[in-house]
Amino acid sequence: GENVEQHPSTLSVQEGDSAVIKCTYSDSASNYFPWYKQELGKGPQLIIDIRSNVGEKKDQRIAVTLNKTAKHFSLHITETQPEDSAVYFCAARGGGTSYGKLTFGQGTILTVHP
Amino acid sequence: DGGITQSPKYLFRKEGQNVTLSCEQNLNHDAMYWYRQDPGQGLRLIYYSQIVNDFQKGDIAEGYSVSREKKESFPLTVTSAQKNPTAFYLCASSIQGAGNSPLHFGNGTRLTVT
Repeated sequence: GENVEQHPSTLSVQEGDSAVIKCTYSDSASNYFPWYKQELGKGPQLIIDIRSNVGEKKDQRIAVTLNKTAKHFSLHITETQPEDSAVYFCAARGGGTSYGKLTFGQGTILTVHP
Repeated sequence: DGGITQSPKYLFRKEGQNVTLSCEQNLNHDAMYWYRQDPGQGLRLIYYSQIVNDFQKGDIAEGYSVSREKKESFPLTVTSAQKNPTAFYLCASSIQGAGNSPLHFGNGTRLTVT
């Protein structure tokens, strides 16, 4: 089945700096890669997603890039703000027998210092 | 507002007791999922259901059971056979299988078994 590795596990930045979180996946047939943000005591919320026929997608201060050859994708947050502090999860939808299921990375705790 | 409701938010049980976690959605979604979240391990899939009266085991189904008698409800029972039941449990739903549409999560139930 699919395996997703996420790094770093914790990330601390100053307000206004950029933050980058990276994920690798194992199933070359995977074709859907969402990113979720989880605030304390709440469920994860989708913030951006990308499909395998696209190399990059942006939404205001958030962008995701995908390198299918290397099987990795990254979340980029620019001009970080304290409210960006949360746990971020990447995920991948595997192909074959795992079709339809999402496999999540281990999560990154992002802290933005004012 | 449409969404997913998980209840209760906190649940305490004695070891050896079965406990059922509630999940209700009014999004008219076909698919529903249960994930378990432990620190540093991301989200792991317990069970999922693509349609009423049908469900499949996820990656860590041992010690859990589910039912899907109604489209809007997908309760999870944590049985006494689950060796380490203390965790944060998240319910989610999607229009179709996860790969075709994003997951919408509830705000979770934190289960503590002593």
